[in-house]
Amino acid sequence: SQQGEEDPQALSIQEGENATMNCSYKTSINNLQWYRQNSGRGLVHLILIRSNEREKHSGRLRVTLDTSKKSSSLLITASRAADTASYFCATDAASKIIFGSGTRLSIRP
Amino acid sequence: DTAVSQTPKYLVTQMGNDKSIKCEQNLGHDTMYWYKQDSKKFLKIMFSYNNKELIINETVPNRFSPKSPDKAHLNLHINSLELGDSAVYFCASSQASGVASTDTQYFGPGTRLTVL
Repeated sequence: SQQGEEDPQALSIQEGENATMNCSYKTSINNLQWYRQNSGRGLVHLILIRSNEREKHSGRLRVTLDTSKKSSSLLITASRAADTASYFCATDAASKIIFGSGTRLSIRP
Repeated sequence: DTAVSQTPKYLVTQMGNDKSIKCEQNLGHDTMYWYKQDSKKFLKIMFSYNNKELIINETVPNRFSPKSPDKAHLNLHINSLELGDSAVYFCASSQASGVASTDTQYFGPGTRLTVL
């Protein structure tokens, strides 16, 4: 069974708007990571948040983690065309990282 | 400089053939991985090697055999290819030794395998 699942599966917004995507997981974690995948490319690490952290920022990215609800959110502010990609959360379980199926984000000009 | 490289980028082959995908990382990492990404974009770990030793071996058919000649290389050999093997295969590496949960993974560009 999947450890992490992203929601929504697809998201289309206007350039300049903010994009929020969510990740829910099932078992306790040590940390949670977010990755981006551009079309036809490998995944690129964006940010890692530890289980004892509630919020983390990196540039236009803001990640929150709620361990009581077993969920995380990724907020991208002031979206740009270059943000068009799939975004994956990854959680640790059984000594390995497990990826969800991703949110496909499209930024409309 | 490419950090994690894979060859080939595309691989089209007939059912029943045997093929290999090569992966190299120049990051000095201790751990390397193979992932399979299906048509629904779900990414699933297949194998993990740490310093040439197998540490994760998910439930994959034994037609898949990873080989790590040194810690900078992890190749994937697939025997008797089947239609269901069609997917994108990603190699990745991380600095972790053993448990990889806290380490960033660096991915290669992927190999799109199509089995006809």
